Amino acid sequence: AQKITQTQPGMFVQEKEAVTLDCTYDTSDPSYGLFWYKQPSSGEMIFLIYQGSYDQQNATEGRYSLNFQKARKSANLVISASQLGDSAMYFCAMKLGGGSNYKLTFGKGTLLTVNP
Amino acid sequence: NAGVTQTPKFRILKIGQSMTLQCTQDMNHNYMYWYRQDPGMGLKLIYYSVGAGITDKGEVPNGYNVSRSTTEDFPLRLELAAPSQTSVYFCASSSPRGATDTQYFGPGTRLTVL
Repeated sequence: AQKITQTQPGMFVQEKEAVTLDCTYDTSDPSYGLFWYKQPSSGEMIFLIYQGSYDQQNATEGRYSLNFQKARKSANLVISASQLGDSAMYFCAMKLGGGSNYKLTFGKGTLLTVNP
Repeated sequence: NAGVTQTPKFRILKIGQSMTLQCTQDMNHNYMYWYRQDPGMGLKLIYYSVGAGITDKGEVPNGYNVSRSTTEDFPLRLELAAPSQTSVYFCASSSPRGATDTQYFGPGTRLTVL
């Protein structure tokens, strides 16, 4: 069965600095997708970035980039130039490919606090 | 587009009561999902649907029922509310046509069962 592990319950970063949020995954399926979602205190789930298992390059979306190390089964989120509005819970999630593309498996999340 | 909308935003139920959580999406997505999020945890899949008239169980379906009569709507029914169903409920939708099949979430319904 697939599994997502986020080992950092909480992280602190100074405004304007970069921060890396860790995510490791476990699956034997060669086809999968990895997602990062942001959940601010207001509660909604906001999609940030996606990485496919066959993608050759690391995904980037503005200040977000995904450090994908397939051999190590890690998909860390890097936020550059942190802003106060980045303070939120961040969830890593995985979806298996093929016919089972209905389920996202979520990690427990990391609470990021950006200090001024 | 409004995206995924959910009603109500908050609800308090007594043990044994029933209610329906509403979910509507206007993105013409075929796939829809219901998740629950317990305090300090990630989301867990309750039920999902790959199209109108087709539903299936997720990871934690006990105590819930769903129906999908239209592409847009995917209501979640709680028949006999229990304190263990106190949680935040999220509806999501996605389109399998895209390469990423990204799931887009509604704002959530916070349910308390007393």
